[in-house]
Amino acid sequence: EVQLVESGGGLVQPGGSLRLSCAASGFTFSSSWMNWVRQAPGKGLEWVANIKQDGSEKYYVDSVRGRFTISRDNTKNSLYLQMNSLRAEDTAIYYCARGWRSGSYYGYWGQGTLVTVSS
Amino acid sequence: EIVLTQSPGTLSLSPGERATLSCRASQSVTNNYLAWYQQKPGQAPRLLIFGASSRATGIPDRFSGSGSVTDFALIISRLEPEDFAVYYCQQYASSPWTFGQGAKVEIK
Repeated sequence: EVQLVESGGGLVQPGGSLRLSCAASGFTFSSSWMNWVRQAPGKGLEWVANIKQDGSEKYYVDSVRGRFTISRDNTKNSLYLQMNSLRAEDTAIYYCARGWRSGSYYGYWGQGTLVTVSS
Repeated sequence: EIVLTQSPGTLSLSPGERATLSCRASQSVTNNYLAWYQQKPGQAPRLLIFGASSRATGIPDRFSGSGSVTDFALIISRLEPEDFAVYYCQQYASSPWTFGQGAKVEIK
């Protein structure tokens, strides 16, 4: 059974940092593009970033480029999102999702972790 | 960036009725790389349709997708109580990969 379990969310002040993690199991993690997708409270879905199987390619939505860094550790079947210079508009549930190429539909999602940016 | 516009924003229907949700793209979605998701409160999205018309594993056949180029639709042939939810379309043809704003199917 495919499982994606996010952790690391919480309350952080504007300008602060947070690191999200996603633990994967039930599939060959090292063969999958991985993604972060977020959802602001009561709002729609927004793709945030993705990373190639070997970590050699990384892509970001314009609003987070230069502030967020996606990474992975295939030895630990884990995906990460380092979020710096956080803003109120980054407040959202962050989901990790498995893809099959850079542009992909997402057949598997985690349950999400809530990030709240507020003073 | 491809902007996806879903309509209507809210659809009020009764169980057993047919639901038709529209997703219009601002540019051509090449290869019909369009997906549909269902999301219920407090849950992650669930993939329903990919490639505009292919049902994902385990999705009932009352869900179908159609369309091409810039106009796509999700049809639920006979609404079951568990189908009342929010539905999103997503294009994965051109970066950044974008979602529609969502459409709610509510019980009338």
